Amino acid sequence: EVQLVESGGGLVQPGRSLRLSCAASGFTFDDYAMHWVRQAPGKGLEWVSTISWNSGSIGYADSVKGRFTISRDTAKNSLYLQMNSLRPEDTALYYCAKGNTYSSSSHFDYWGQGTLVTVSS
Amino acid sequence: EIVLTQSPGTLSLSPGERATLSCRASQSVSSSYLAWYQQKPGQAPRLLIYVASSRATGVPDRFSGSGSGTDFTLSISRLEPEDFAVYYCQQYGSSPLTFGGGTKVEIK
Repeated sequence: EVQLVESGGGLVQPGRSLRLSCAASGFTFDDYAMHWVRQAPGKGLEWVSTISWNSGSIGYADSVKGRFTISRDTAKNSLYLQMNSLRPEDTALYYCAKGNTYSSSSHFDYWGQGTLVTVSS
Repeated sequence: EIVLTQSPGTLSLSPGERATLSCRASQSVSSSYLAWYQQKPGQAPRLLIYVASSRATGVPDRFSGSGSGTDFTLSISRLEPEDFAVYYCQQYGSSPLTFGGGTKVEIK
């Protein structure tokens, strides 16, 4: 059974940093692209970032480019999102999602339950 | 960036009725790389349809997707009580990946 478990969210002041983690199990982690998607309270879904199976292809939404960094650790079957210079508009539930292929151009066939990030002073 | 516009914003229907949801893209979606997701309150999104018309594993056959180019449709043939939710389309043919704003299907 595929499982994606996010952690690392919390309350943080504007301008500070936070690192999200996603522990993956139930599939061969190395074979698939992985994604971060966020959802602000009461709003729709927003794609944040994607990393291909071998980290060779990485993409970011314009809203986070230069501030967020996605990475993966195959030894730990984990996905990460380093978030720097956080802004109040980054407040959202952050989902980890599994791509259906190794490529960045993939739909999301499994999702975690999300971790909440609140940016406020 | 491909902008996806979903309509209507809210669809009020009764159980047993047919639902038709639209997703229109600002430019052609490459290879019909268009997916549909269902989200219920307090839950993560669930994949329903990919490459415009392929049902994901375990999705009932009352859900169907169609379309190509810039116009896509999700149809639910006969609404069951568990189908009342928010539905999002997403294109993954070009970067940045984008989602539509969602259609809420509510009980009339």
